[in-house]
Amino acid sequence: QSVLTQPPSASGTPGQRVTISCSGSSSNIGSSTVNWYQQLPGTAPKLLIYSNNQWPSGVPDRFSGSKSGTSASLAISGLQSEDEANYYCAAWDGSLNGYVFGTGTEVTVL
Amino acid sequence: EVQLVESGGGLVQPGGSLRLSCVASGFTFSAYSMNWVRQAPGKGLEWVSYISSSSSTIYYADSVKGRFTISRDYAQNSLYLQMNSLRAEDTAVYYCARDRSRSYPDYWGQGTLVTVSS
Repeated sequence: QSVLTQPPSASGTPGQRVTISCSGSSSNIGSSTVNWYQQLPGTAPKLLIYSNNQWPSGVPDRFSGSKSGTSASLAISGLQSEDEANYYCAAWDGSLNGYVFGTGTEVTVL
Repeated sequence: EVQLVESGGGLVQPGGSLRLSCVASGFTFSAYSMNWVRQAPGKGLEWVSYISSSSSTIYYADSVKGRFTISRDYAQNSLYLQMNSLRAEDTAVYYCARDRSRSYPDYWGQGTLVTVSS
């Protein structure tokens, strides 16, 4: 079951900026770093942002992350057609002793 | 290049058992903790289990506790998930994922599909 809450969908036209929110609690986002994953249809999740706002090698800086208190957000600037995917936030939950994932947000490029 | 390759999925009847494997390459397997994460058809990601680099620390999601067992074989660079008393709600693609200090899973395998149905 998902413990982190995300909007089910987001959309924008090419070149626009899209923001996805992720809401948690003190036992997860409030006390751990937040990570974001991109999942293209039929493929495994790919790490997009780690430790709130860090990019793994090869991820364009059009993607950016931030965290404040028990919430976090992912921003996609200069939206491109290849950004159409599902996006998940995740964090370690110290009460559950495991990772919790967001409900997922499907991004559509209009 | 880091690679994680899962296998062992398939169709199993409710109440049955299955053992998943994940072979790791491209990194020092013994230095990293590992996870299993699953995704039911059309649904989101659900963390299943964690095992530390030394196997001394193991965690399970409440949904699988008492039915699933995670383990690893350092000689074979392999991670396992023994799944017993399977239920229809265990139907999912199961991914193994390398862990980074209980902060984030970074590399993921391609997944293996487990279908529990009569």
